[in-house]
Amino acid sequence: NAGVMQNPRHLVRRRGQEARLRCSPMKGHSHVYWYRQLPEEGLKFMVYLQKENIIDESGMPKERFSAEFPKEGPSILRIQQVVRGDSAAYFCASSPQDGGFGEQFFGPGTRLTVL
Amino acid sequence: SQKIEQNSEALNIQEGKTATLTCNYTNYSPAYLQWYRQDPGRGPVFLLLIRENEKEKRKERLKVTFDTTLKQSLFHITASQPADSATYLCALTNTGFQKLVFGTGTRLLVSP
Repeated sequence: NAGVMQNPRHLVRRRGQEARLRCSPMKGHSHVYWYRQLPEEGLKFMVYLQKENIIDESGMPKERFSAEFPKEGPSILRIQQVVRGDSAAYFCASSPQDGGFGEQFFGPGTRLTVL
Repeated sequence: SQKIEQNSEALNIQEGKTATLTCNYTNYSPAYLQWYRQDPGRGPVFLLLIRENEKEKRKERLKVTFDTTLKQSLFHITASQPADSATYLCALTNTGFQKLVFGTGTRLLVSP
């Protein structure tokens, strides 16, 4: 059973460009979460999605950031008009629909560098 | 505001000893407390979860305690090994299937 997959693993963008980060949850998992880890800081929650629904986006910046988890395909975190402060590691996690108590399974992360 | 504190200084111990890491929280009433391990350049890996009505949980060489009166969790690794060297994160959540609120983590270094 493959784990959570994220791609790309490393992404370099110039200021003003768009960044698209993809996440495929573990098989059988229907809950997806995105977190951001700034250098020397802890993991910060961004958004929680289920298929075709955003459940909690309280950690998402109001502008430039959006997320989706379509019926088919991976979850996408999209950052428009990137700025240097967006440089961070972005982690996706998933959890199963039934069973468990909320433990989350993390992907390897996408490291975004904005030049 | 909600705060989760872990010792920001690295914990250095000798192989074979017991490592004890602390997680304190304020302005929070979590239903679950979780511990994760994170190695450099990798995503966190789930280790243990303890519920608010549980005092202690064990898994192999790992033990977690949860004191909701003190608002503290202790994470123990017995018979530590150099391979246990990593950053350990505590995370809180009100109920399952919600966002995790993470502490900043404590780096553990186990020397041979």
